[in-house]
Amino acid sequence: GAGVSQSPRYKVAKRGQDVALRCDPISGHVSLFWYQQALGQGPEFLTYFQNEAQLDKSGLPSDRFFAERPEGSVSTLKIQRTQQEDSAVYLCASSFIRKETQYFGPGTRLLVL
Amino acid sequence: AQKITQTQPGMFVQEKEAVTLDCTYDTSDQSYGLFWYKQPSSGEMIFLIYQGSYDEQNATEGRYSLNFQKARKSANLVISASQLGDSAMYFCAMREGRGGGTSYGKLTFGQGTILTVHP
Repeated sequence: GAGVSQSPRYKVAKRGQDVALRCDPISGHVSLFWYQQALGQGPEFLTYFQNEAQLDKSGLPSDRFFAERPEGSVSTLKIQRTQQEDSAVYLCASSFIRKETQYFGPGTRLLVL
Repeated sequence: AQKITQTQPGMFVQEKEAVTLDCTYDTSDQSYGLFWYKQPSSGEMIFLIYQGSYDEQNATEGRYSLNFQKARKSANLVISASQLGDSAMYFCAMREGRGGGTSYGKLTFGQGTILTVHP
């Protein structure tokens, strides 16, 4: 079956621009996670969804970051008024339930100029 | 707070040789999960192997095995018979174990080890 897909793969934004990053999880996976990976670092947790419910958003770095999963499938991570420090790879992962292995998408590489 | 430490920024191995990548962790949970992922230059995180804290046997998946030493809080990855395609960044990660808590499930990653396989 298809794996996790993310789009766009690359995004260049001017500082202050809003961006939206999309994640299509594996079909049937209840749990969806977003992570941020800075260059040369390990991924860091941003937020977690169980179906359409956002159960944990403790990792979102500021109120400029917003995520949603309205129908319990596709998720969108939105960053408003992007800053240079938002430049990173944004990884989405899904799992059947949250204690199971997470499978990652290819990531979206965001560069803010 | 949970913490994962990978002390080897880079490792080199000759093709067909075995290599061990180190990982130590710190947690106060009794129940937790340990994972290893591979990240090639393309960027995708590829799941390799999983070890549960209550598993008595070390996990194995093909050429990958996890040397789990609970008392030492270490979960080293052993790759046998290295191949050129094994060259990548490797991450150790831990899943929080407090079932039912809102933070249950999220992964905490180490800094990673870059493995280079020489022909």
